[in-house]
Amino acid sequence: DQQVKQNSPSLSVQEGRISILNCDYTNSMFDYFLWYKKYPAEGPTFLISISSIKDKNEDGRFTVFLNKSAKHLSLHIVPSQPGDSAVYFCAASPNNAGNMLTFGGGTRLMVKP
Amino acid sequence: NAGVTQTPKFQVLKTGQSMTLQCAQDMNHEYMSWYRQDPGMGLRLIHYSVGAGITDQGEVPNGYNVSRSTTEDFPLRLLSAAPSQTSVYFCASSYGEQGAGTKTQYFGPGTRLLVL
Repeated sequence: DQQVKQNSPSLSVQEGRISILNCDYTNSMFDYFLWYKKYPAEGPTFLISISSIKDKNEDGRFTVFLNKSAKHLSLHIVPSQPGDSAVYFCAASPNNAGNMLTFGGGTRLMVKP
Repeated sequence: NAGVTQTPKFQVLKTGQSMTLQCAQDMNHEYMSWYRQDPGMGLRLIHYSVGAGITDQGEVPNGYNVSRSTTEDFPLRLLSAAPSQTSVYFCASSYGEQGAGTKTQYFGPGTRLLVL
């Protein structure tokens, strides 16, 4: 049973508009969440993270929101740019298992010019 | 810094063959791990190490061995390759457990493995 789920395999957005990528989790022991971006034939690159003691974290055009009661997090990209087109993975780490990450299945974002 | 490096980039094996995927990092990270990526399944943890001489199993360890003799290197061994091990393999590293921010893992470029 997947503990981290990204229910949208793909998302298409117009350049300049907002992209919202969603992620749900089931394990209440998760206390740290990360988003990674992955281009084809490259390794995932770290984008932004959030601790469970916060409900929002911003870094430039990227904002991550965490709703602990709903076990849901989202990544907002504003404004979206064609270079943002990639696969985005959310990942979660429990508070009792060191740095182990559990990943969602990924969402492919396509930003159209 | 080169970051996390992996070799080879691509490998074709026949069923039953063995091989070692190499991973090295030059960031003096304590924590290293191996993941495999399969379509629609994200990345799944194979094995990890919290420091030289210490390794442990992840979610999908069967058919793989690891060792960590130095801080820098963390090779992954396939003992007897099977078609089910066709995948893209990523190595990652991070600092130790001192605070939540150190949980960020940095990934290598990956090794694409095809087992016939």
